[in-house]
Amino acid sequence: QKEVEQNSGPLSVPEGAIASLNCTYSDRGSQSFFWYRQYSGKSPELIMSIYSNGDKEDGRFTAQLNKASQYVSLLIRDSQPSDSATYLCAVTPYSSASKIIFGSGTRLSIRP
Amino acid sequence: DVKVTQSSRYLVKRTGEKVFLECVQDMDHENMFWYRQDPGLGLRLIYFSYDVKMKEKGDIPEGYSVSREKKERFSLILESASTNQTSMYLCATKPTAGLAETYEQYFGPGTRLTVT
Repeated sequence: QKEVEQNSGPLSVPEGAIASLNCTYSDRGSQSFFWYRQYSGKSPELIMSIYSNGDKEDGRFTAQLNKASQYVSLLIRDSQPSDSATYLCAVTPYSSASKIIFGSGTRLSIRP
Repeated sequence: DVKVTQSSRYLVKRTGEKVFLECVQDMDHENMFWYRQDPGLGLRLIYFSYDVKMKEKGDIPEGYSVSREKKERFSLILESASTNQTSMYLCATKPTAGLAETYEQYFGPGTRLTVT
């Protein structure tokens, strides 16, 4: 079992709709969770971090965390073509607070 | 703003050459990381360092070594480059966690290395 699992996609969403990206993790003691966006040929950039159960909103982005289900998601409202990218879920494991474990990413495509 | 720089954006080397990739950060972060990223395989950790002269192996250290003589600089060394080391190499930094939460990683722009 991978430590952080994501559906690789591609996920195709019409412009203006809500894009929903999902991630599960295996280390039940994980404390910190991150979503990174990566455009083709570029390095990942942080878009959201979440540390406690529930929702966290930042503009068009909402991160949701459910530690009991070991599940974290990212919702993108009013999807724009510029949101087309690969989204990486990342988790800090309980065993090592200095490290971050990345999922392999979900490729999102926003169609006009 | 955190600034992480890498010595080259693109690099072409021949099989058997010794290759140095350098990463420099200006934010006094304790932790530095080297990843490689390949299509379908995601980000894979090669080595990381949590202090000067300290290093730990990541998931795929074979064929690589690292050096951290100064806090701001973390070098990745390919002792004898091979074609299967053709990849995007990403450096990242991260401050040491506080008690309540941990912090995100900040990435450099990446080096696309081609070994022929």
